[in-house]
Amino acid sequence: SQQGEEDPQALSIQEGENATMNCSYKTSINNLQWYRQNSGRGLVHLILIRSNEREKHSGRLRVTLDTSKKSSSLLITASRAADTASYFCATDSGGYQKVTFGTGTKLQVIP
Amino acid sequence: SQTIHQWPATLVQPVGSPLSLECTVEGTSNPNLYWYRQAAGRGLQLLFYSVGIGQISSEVPQNLSASRPQDRQFILSSKKLLLSDSGFYLCAWSPQGDSPLHFGNGTRLTVT
Repeated sequence: SQQGEEDPQALSIQEGENATMNCSYKTSINNLQWYRQNSGRGLVHLILIRSNEREKHSGRLRVTLDTSKKSSSLLITASRAADTASYFCATDSGGYQKVTFGTGTKLQVIP
Repeated sequence: SQTIHQWPATLVQPVGSPLSLECTVEGTSNPNLYWYRQAAGRGLQLLFYSVGIGQISSEVPQNLSASRPQDRQFILSSKKLLLSDSGFYLCAWSPQGDSPLHFGNGTRLTVT
């Protein structure tokens, strides 16, 4: 079963705008991660935030985590056409080894 | 550096035929290994994960099975494929502990 759900399911923005995606999960976690998937390819890890962290940055990416609400958000600033992809959150719970993914947000950045 | 190889890239198989997908990791030892399946336009479903040779955890009861005959080799199998087994199969590894997953390029399986 899916642990997380992303919102929105699809997002279309103009190049240069910011894109925000949200992830909600059901059970307590150790870490939350965000991944990116280009069409027909494997996933690429973007950023990991631990359960005791509230915010993390990496380049144009900003991730927040609210464990009381069991939710996270991914912000991509100054989006580019190359950011067009699907984005997934992933959580590990019940042991670090078991990693389950959300349903994904499909982002389209229009040049 | 570590690399993950997954093959074949695409596969078309008739219903009732067997399946064997292979995944190998290079450049690391004792990795956690994973098989996921992704239906078209959907999220990833965790099928199996393994923390060591011969140690397989199954997440979804079905006609698929997994084996780990060597430390860095993970095999997904089926004796008889169903139409519902069609999908995009992804292998991944992570170091022991809480590090991120590293994915292969996937196998697109079509059962006809």
